[in-house]
Amino acid sequence: QVQLVQSGAEVKKPGASVKVSCKASGYTFTRHWMHWVRQAPGQGLEWMAIINPDGGYTRYAERFQDRVTLTRDTSTSTVYMEMRSLSSEDTAVYYCARDHSDNENAWWFDPWGQGTLVTVSS
Amino acid sequence: SSELTQDPAVSVALGQTVRITCQGDSLRRYYASWYQQKPGQAPVLVIYGKNNRPSGIPDRFSGSSSGNTASLTITGAQAEDEADYYCNSRGNSDAPWVFGGGTKLTVL
Repeated sequence: QVQLVQSGAEVKKPGASVKVSCKASGYTFTRHWMHWVRQAPGQGLEWMAIINPDGGYTRYAERFQDRVTLTRDTSTSTVYMEMRSLSSEDTAVYYCARDHSDNENAWWFDPWGQGTLVTVSS
Repeated sequence: SSELTQDPAVSVALGQTVRITCQGDSLRRYYASWYQQKPGQAPVLVIYGKNNRPSGIPDRFSGSSSGNTASLTITGAQAEDEADYYCNSRGNSDAPWVFGGGTKLTVL
């Protein structure tokens, strides 16, 4: 079955960087783009970025453009999300989610990884 | 505007029908997808496209769209449907995809 398994929880100090992984299995890795979404404690979902595993093209939300980098390793079917210059406001659960589209007017995210809690605290 | 607007909270009596709405300009052009999230769990896709349910999602969940409003309807709500529900659709150049703020569904 299709599965996305993310790396474990992280605790970082302000100003540090974090790199979260998302390992895909059960499908051809390069056939589906991958989204990253975060959720701060008690808050809603926020779309961050997307990567095309076939070639590595990326697109970021404007507010993350300067601090987030998505990469992929096709040999291990893994996507990585690195965030730099962390602050307490980046404390959140970070999710990867596989992209689907009808290439016309519908997009959806399925499945989602289990989430990775990143805590930023001094 | 690229925003999607949802009511923060909705309640429904057990076994009754409830509609959760999502408003935004992008919905005039693109379909919404809908996600159910229970406490401490990752979101789960429940509706996508015109009105499609992934395998394993009960047929009491349905979707529809009119103008700038997308709706998720639960016909005969069950206790296990109590959760947060989020819509998602295309945004703008600042954020190509965007989520609604979420609706907390309480089943009474």
